[in-house]
Amino acid sequence: GDSVTQTEGLVTLTEGLPVMLNCTYQTIYSNPFLFWYVQHLNESPRLLLKSFTDNKRTEHQGFHATLHKSSSSFHLQKSSAQLSDSALYYCALTSGYKVVFGSGTRLLVSP
Amino acid sequence: DAGVTQTPRHEVAEKGQTIILKCEPVSGHNDLFWYRQTKIQGLELLSYFRSKSLMEDGGAFKDRFKAEMLNSSFSTLKIQPTEPKDSAVYLCASSPGGAETLYFGSGTRLTVL
Repeated sequence: GDSVTQTEGLVTLTEGLPVMLNCTYQTIYSNPFLFWYVQHLNESPRLLLKSFTDNKRTEHQGFHATLHKSSSSFHLQKSSAQLSDSALYYCALTSGYKVVFGSGTRLLVSP
Repeated sequence: DAGVTQTPRHEVAEKGQTIILKCEPVSGHNDLFWYRQTKIQGLELLSYFRSKSLMEDGGAFKDRFKAEMLNSSFSTLKIQPTEPKDSAVYLCASSPGGAETLYFGSGTRLTVL
């Protein structure tokens, strides 16, 4: 079946350093949609960015990700972490009607 | 536009009780999802409806969890009987359908004593 793998459960960074959260996926569907959702403390997940176009960079709120079908990856990046980026980040895959979430990566940014 | 509305925000139940959680999706959305969220397991799919038809019922949650979509604008999740291990945040989400974004409600925090 379809799956999404987020290898890091917790990422700790100092403010100002670059962010990279890993996401790889498996699906037999040839045109998957990939999403990053962000969940701040005491809030619900909300969309951060999404893509279905191979090798095209998608950006939102300083974050960016590129869907690479050749490596089945959709890593989330930001050039400089801010304290307010501390949150739980979920990578998700939609193929056909199914939505599959990864296990989530908690990002903690310290001063 | 109103987002996804979930009630109650908090629920405390005794072991063995029946509880019903409610969800109103975004108007016009075709897909509705129920998830359970815990720190250990993350997001677990309980049920998924498309145009009020049950598409997926979350396998392992079949025996005590039952979600229903009474009409296109209202869904319930019944847990019967509750157990302490059911303590978690229950999230409802809706989507226009297809490969569109999920919009989550504020969730119901359930505590089972």
